Amino acid sequence: QKEVEQDPGPLSVPEGAIVSLNCTYSNSAFQYFMWYRQYSRKGPELLMYTYSSGNKEDGRFTAQVDKSSKYISLFIRDSQPSDSATYLCAMSVNNNDMRFGAGTRLTVKP
Amino acid sequence: GAVVSQHPSWVICKSGTSVKIECRSLDFQATTMFWYRQFPKQSLMLMATSNEGSKATYEQGVEKDKFLINHASLTLSTLTVTSAHPEDSSFYICSARPGTTAEAFFGQGTRLTVV
Repeated sequence: QKEVEQDPGPLSVPEGAIVSLNCTYSNSAFQYFMWYRQYSRKGPELLMYTYSSGNKEDGRFTAQVDKSSKYISLFIRDSQPSDSATYLCAMSVNNNDMRFGAGTRLTVKP
Repeated sequence: GAVVSQHPSWVICKSGTSVKIECRSLDFQATTMFWYRQFPKQSLMLMATSNEGSKATYEQGVEKDKFLINHASLTLSTLTVTSAHPEDSSFYICSARPGTTAEAFFGQGTRLTVV
């Protein structure tokens, strides 16, 4: 079993849709949870960072962490074509050792 | 957010030569930098963790004599791929973390092609 599981997609939605991206993990010691967006042939861009459980909202993006279920989510409201990218979840125990999901490829169609 | 600059963005080299990739934190001091490798349509694989002024910590399976990492200052880390071979062709990405916060910021990545 992989330490971090993420459905690679691809996921295709119409513009304006709500997008739900998810990751599950096996290591209960993870405390830091991140979501990155990566455009083709570019480095990942940090979108959201949460510590421990709970929700965090930033504009159209909402990150949720459920440590009891070892499950994290990223919601994108009013999705735009510019949101088309690969979304990577990442998590770590102590800052030094981030483990990434495989990434979900999202396409938002106009 | 903080800016991490990686150079070059792409490089083609001949088999057997060495290639150096630079990673700079432009607006913050990075006590820790990380080097990743990413194959097409796959996720990032951590290669090594680099702390300023000390030797890098390599992940299992990563050859330290082949992938030389130097973190001589708080704003610069370099990765040198020595005696490159075609199987070293990949997308290499660095990230840097300001202080002890968990947020790591990534460079633009370097696409290395060994011919």
